Amino acid sequence: AQKITQTQPGMFVQEKEAVTLDCTYDTSDPSYGLFWYKQPSSGEMIFLIYQGSYDQQNATEGRYSLNFQKARKSANLVISASQLGDSAMYFCAMRALARGGNKLTFGTGTQLKVEL
Amino acid sequence: DVKVTQSSRYLVKRTGEKVFLECVQDMDHENMFWYRQDPGLGLRLIYFSYDVKMKEKGDIPEGYSVSREKKERFSLILESASTNQTSMYLCASSSEGAPGNTIYFGEGSWLTVV
Repeated sequence: AQKITQTQPGMFVQEKEAVTLDCTYDTSDPSYGLFWYKQPSSGEMIFLIYQGSYDQQNATEGRYSLNFQKARKSANLVISASQLGDSAMYFCAMRALARGGNKLTFGTGTQLKVEL
Repeated sequence: DVKVTQSSRYLVKRTGEKVFLECVQDMDHENMFWYRQDPGLGLRLIYFSYDVKMKEKGDIPEGYSVSREKKERFSLILESASTNQTSMYLCASSSEGAPGNTIYFGEGSWLTVV
């Protein structure tokens, strides 16, 4: 079975600082993808970044980067130069091809608050 | 502009009522999903469908059923609503194939059962 663990229910960061949101995962499938989504208070799910299990390099998208450590089964999200608009809930998710019809399994989320 | 549309954003229903949550996507996606989101529990998969008339149970299917008669539409049905089904429900869709295929979400449906 697939499992995603996010151990930080809440995080605070000062504006312009960098912050790391932790995510560990468990799967026996050799081919899988890891995602991070942002959910502001409005409820929409905003895709941030994707990392494939066979990708050699860590994914980056603007201020977002994914610190992928395959042996440790971790996929932490790093947000650089935090902005007030980054305050939101962040979800780590995983998808495997081998079983489950491409379903996406989510962690419990981390509520990030950016302060002045 | 790609779109996943959930027909109702806010609903209030009585215990025992039959409730339909509708989701429509305009991207010709094979896969469609229903999740519920609760504080501290993240998003949990209720049911998913990988083709018309095909469905599979997710992690928490009890008390729910689904229908997919057309490719673009995936309905979640609460046969007899109960107060513990008060939650936010999210529909999503994606194309078949690689794990990295983008998954698109609707805006969510907030259901209160009284």
